[in-house]
Amino acid sequence: DAKTTQPNSMESNEEEPVHLPCNHSTISGTDYIHWYRQLPSQGPEYVIHGLTSNVNNRMASLAIAEDRKSSTLILHRATLRDAAVYYCILISDQGAQKLVFGQGTRLTINP
Amino acid sequence: NAGVTQTPKFRILKIGQSMTLQCTQDMNHNYMYWYRQDPGMGLKLIYYSVGAGITDKGEVPNGYNVSRSTTEDFPLRLELAAPSQTSVYFCASSLALTGQNQPQHFGDGTRLSIL
Repeated sequence: DAKTTQPNSMESNEEEPVHLPCNHSTISGTDYIHWYRQLPSQGPEYVIHGLTSNVNNRMASLAIAEDRKSSTLILHRATLRDAAVYYCILISDQGAQKLVFGQGTRLTINP
Repeated sequence: NAGVTQTPKFRILKIGQSMTLQCTQDMNHNYMYWYRQDPGMGLKLIYYSVGAGITDKGEVPNGYNVSRSTTEDFPLRLELAAPSQTSVYFCASSLALTGQNQPQHFGDGTRLSIL
């Protein structure tokens, strides 16, 4: 499985936008970029995923670089509830679509 | 909507005891997964199943067994509990669609301590 690199931690203020980066320089053509988050004492929660084009949903936006070697998860207006560990994961569309979790980025939101 | 349900939520075992962690989903998903998460770490895949009657090893399968007799249920068995198996266990499921990635839905986890 292709590897991703994320900052260990980031900090932002409530009601401000947050940009969480992810590098995946060895991504292959069949790899989708997935983002999950894990709130304290809970199971991971799906946030968003994409292949080549930028994606938007009710939770966040995903901006994918043209060469697909990096991506950015965008939380448009952070709330205290967005404080979590965010995981960027590459998943091939072949096979069982197993998730390989790295360390993720621990996001702290200041009131 | 129930989604993925795991039982029990908490359990303390003695070394050498056995137990089964239950996982059931009501979304008719064909893919199911078991992960473990040690403190401060990301999740690691133990076993997975792509459908009833089919299971396969993940990254850390030693000390565990699984079965998948129905689409809904995917129990994880610990035969001889060891302190190294103290962890939080998460079950997940997803819908397999040809040529499409689908998100995994996770349960709330089982916190297991082996003393």
